Amino acid sequence: QKEVEQNSGPLSVPEGAIASLNCTYSDRGSQSFFWYRQYSGKSPELIMFIYSNGDKEDGRFTAQLNKASQYVSLLIRDSQPSDSATYLCAVKRADSWGKLQFGAGTQVVVTP
Amino acid sequence: DVKVTQSSRYLVKRTGEKVFLECVQDMDHENMFWYRQDPGLGLRLIYFSYDVKMKEKGDIPEGYSVSREKKERFSLILESASTNQTSMYLCASSFGATSSNQPQHFGDGTRLSIL
Repeated sequence: QKEVEQNSGPLSVPEGAIASLNCTYSDRGSQSFFWYRQYSGKSPELIMFIYSNGDKEDGRFTAQLNKASQYVSLLIRDSQPSDSATYLCAVKRADSWGKLQFGAGTQVVVTP
Repeated sequence: DVKVTQSSRYLVKRTGEKVFLECVQDMDHENMFWYRQDPGLGLRLIYFSYDVKMKEKGDIPEGYSVSREKKERFSLILESASTNQTSMYLCASSFGATSSNQPQHFGDGTRLSIL
C-alpha cells in the first residue's frame, strides 16, 4: 500500500463547475497536509495546507481534512481552464525532518 | 517570497560524466531536498539535508551524492552519469526541524538529459 494515494485521473470538469480531488494516507501519525499544483513541464507550486480537522478555504480552493478516516480533499470552485494541471497531495509524518510523502497526482482538465 | 534557484533549466551531459546540479535558497531554511520526477513515477526523494554538512538518504540515493557546505546551498552530484538518470530534477527547501509543519518550496527544476 502506498503511503499517499490519489486517483490519477484525468478528472474532466466543465468550466464553472466544482472539481473534487481526494487523497488518502496510511500513517495515522501524519500531522500536516499540503496541496500542490503542477503545470506540465513546471515545478510544483503550493496552493493550500491544512493541519486541523475540518475545512479551510482560500479563494476558490477549499481543503478538507478528516484524520479519523485518513483522507484529505481539495475542492476547486468555479473551475477555470487555467486550473488544468496535476494536483499533488503531500503529507508530513510526525517523525520526519520536514520530509513529505507525495501522492502521484491527479490530472485535472477543465473544458470550456 | 521564498526563492529557490536551480542553476540550470536544461542540461545535456554524456554518459560517464560527473554532473553537478546546484540549488540555492534565500530564506534561511534548515531543510533542503533533492527529488527526481519521471512520468508515471511521481516525485521521488533522492537525498535531503536538515543542517549544514548533514545529509540523509532518501528513497533512491544510488548513483547520487550531495554536498551542503553552506546553509543556503545544496548540491546534487551524479558521480558517473548514466542514461537512466535522464529526468527532471527538483530542489526544495523548508523551514524548521521535526516538529515543523512548514511546506516545501520548489525551484523551477532542471531537465537533465544524459546521452
